[in-house]
Amino acid sequence: DAMVIQNPRYQVTQFGKPVTLSCSQTLNHNVMYWYQQKSSQAPKLLFHYYDKDFNNEADTPDNFQSRRPNTSFCFLDIRSPGLGDAAMYLCATSREALGQTSYEQYFGPGTRLTVT
Amino acid sequence: RKEVEQDPGPFNVPEGATVAFNCTYSNSASQSFFWYRQDCRKEPKLLMSVYSSGNEDGRFTAQLNRASQYISLLIRDSKLSDSATYLCVVNGFRNDYKLSFGAGTTVTVRA
Repeated sequence: DAMVIQNPRYQVTQFGKPVTLSCSQTLNHNVMYWYQQKSSQAPKLLFHYYDKDFNNEADTPDNFQSRRPNTSFCFLDIRSPGLGDAAMYLCATSREALGQTSYEQYFGPGTRLTVT
Repeated sequence: RKEVEQDPGPFNVPEGATVAFNCTYSNSASQSFFWYRQDCRKEPKLLMSVYSSGNEDGRFTAQLNRASQYISLLIRDSKLSDSATYLCVVNGFRNDYKLSFGAGTTVTVRA
């Protein structure tokens, strides 16, 4: 039973050619996150949506944008990919509520982006 | 200083051995602690939450030391299938749902 789905699993794009990665979830979680992970590094949070509210990390380049048209879907747009943007892009979800004390996140399988 | 620091390893252990490793975190206000497992080129998957009193899940035992700001993971009776990278994960502040990830400790179990 897939809970967090990412498409495509592998994406090859050319330098400077816009690309969109998608994420969908069946968990009905209110928070969705996008992470970038490079080899042997920790996942790096790019931004997240808390319900409809977009929250950008301070060091996320303007080249990265996101959309969340509804609860289930979230997109990552890379406007002009550079060679340094080659990485695994992970979507995650969590359910946040008042009084909650534990914040597990559930990850999709990731999209591995190659920039040529 | 990184928010979460881990010894990258690798820890190479024979099947059946016990392996343990720690992770330190910088924010004393952190309230939620987890160990995630990540296989090569796959997504992180929650292994276990870490509770103040320490907790066990089968062959895995997690401990939290708030005074020294570290958490530990111990794997008993290692299996070949335990070979993976183990990510230490903490939240930033009390009631903060954003998580900070360590870069992981790699464990390789050999036959």
